[in-house]
Amino acid sequence: QVQLVQSGAEVKKPGASVKVSCKASGYTFTSYGISWVRQAPGQGLEWMGWISAYNGNTNYAQKLQGRVTMTTDTSTSTAYMELRSLRSDDTAVYYCASSDDAFDIWGQGTMVTVSS
Amino acid sequence: SYELTQPSSVSVSPGQTARITCSGDVLAKKYARWFQQKPGQAPVLVIYKDSERPSGIPERFSGSSSGTTVTLTISGAQVEDEADYYCYSAADNNQVFGGGTKLTVL
Repeated sequence: QVQLVQSGAEVKKPGASVKVSCKASGYTFTSYGISWVRQAPGQGLEWMGWISAYNGNTNYAQKLQGRVTMTTDTSTSTAYMELRSLRSDDTAVYYCASSDDAFDIWGQGTMVTVSS
Repeated sequence: SYELTQPSSVSVSPGQTARITCSGDVLAKKYARWFQQKPGQAPVLVIYKDSERPSGIPERFSGSSSGTTVTLTISGAQVEDEADYYCYSAADNNQVFGGGTKLTVL
């Protein structure tokens, strides 16, 4: 079936980096872009950025520019999101999502905890 | 940057009509999407292109648009509709979510 499966939970120390993966199946990976969205505990959804799975073009939220990198591997239909220089306020559930009009699928979420 | 403003909470009794608004200048030019999120779950798309309903979403969910405001309407709200609802839009190279509205049905 159509799905996005994300990597498991991570615990990182402040200043470290984290890389979350998102593997697509059940559809043509290069037909849709992948967005990354995060949600801090008890807070709302925050859009982080988007990458075209077709040509790798990216668009990042201004507040994360310089700390985030999104990539794709079309050979494995997998998207990646790397966040560097982690701070405590980066603690959140990170989601990948692929959407276009009515086509809308989300990963199950990856909890990233930043704590010393 | 763009901003979308939603009420923090809306409360209705079962069977009543719930209306959740979302306001922002970008909505005058771009479509909105609405997502439903229940605790511990990923968001689910309930409305796209302001008023289109994906397959599998109950007919009681509808959307409308007027100027810089979009509205999600749940006609005859059910207890299972209790959730957080987020509007979303994209313009140029920016995408943004509203702050979310907690819908209580009791």
